[in-house]
Amino acid sequence: GENVEQHPSTLSVQEGDSAVIKCTYSDSASNYFPWYKQELGKRPQLIIDIRSNVGEKKDQRIAVTLNKTAKHFSLHITETQPEDSAVYFCPPRSDYKLSFGAGTTVTVRA
Amino acid sequence: EAGVAQSPRYKIIEKRQSVAFWCNPISGHATLYWYQQILGQGPKLLIQFQNNGVVDDSQLPKDRFSAERLKGVDSTLKIQPAKLEDSAVYLCASSLENVNSPLHFGNGTRLTVT
Repeated sequence: GENVEQHPSTLSVQEGDSAVIKCTYSDSASNYFPWYKQELGKRPQLIIDIRSNVGEKKDQRIAVTLNKTAKHFSLHITETQPEDSAVYFCPPRSDYKLSFGAGTTVTVRA
Repeated sequence: EAGVAQSPRYKIIEKRQSVAFWCNPISGHATLYWYQQILGQGPKLLIQFQNNGVVDDSQLPKDRFSAERLKGVDSTLKIQPAKLEDSAVYLCASSLENVNSPLHFGNGTRLTVT
């Protein structure tokens, strides 16, 4: 099954700076790479995803890059704002199962 | 499109009582998931349905938890009897196909067991 490692586990950034979270995976057959954001007290929501035939995808201040050779994909948040403070997940997929790890807690300092 | 509906939003019960949660997925979504999220942790998959069949329930405590998805649409998750450690948010999610399509989460049910 799939094994995904997400780093860092916590990230504190100054407002306006950039944040990068990286996930490495083991299954070379993986072809779908989503990122979910969960604000405190709210449900997880998909913020961006990428498929294996694309190297990069951007949506305003967030972007996801995929390196299939190295088996990792990253979430980039530019010009961070207080509303970016949340837990971010890159859930691994094992066969047909979809579980979430502990995620990355991002804190944006004013 | 209407989102994933869950009820109730909050539930407080005493240990050893029973409780049931209901979920209505997005219309047309074949896959339905139930997650348990304990405070400070990521969502833990309890059970995954594909239409009305169970794909995975390896992390479901079957001695006290049960779930069904009749007619491949709505789903209920039941706990009987509840324990203190069952206090958590229970999230339902659905996706169009399988794990390679986006998950849409409901607002969850916050369960407190006293």
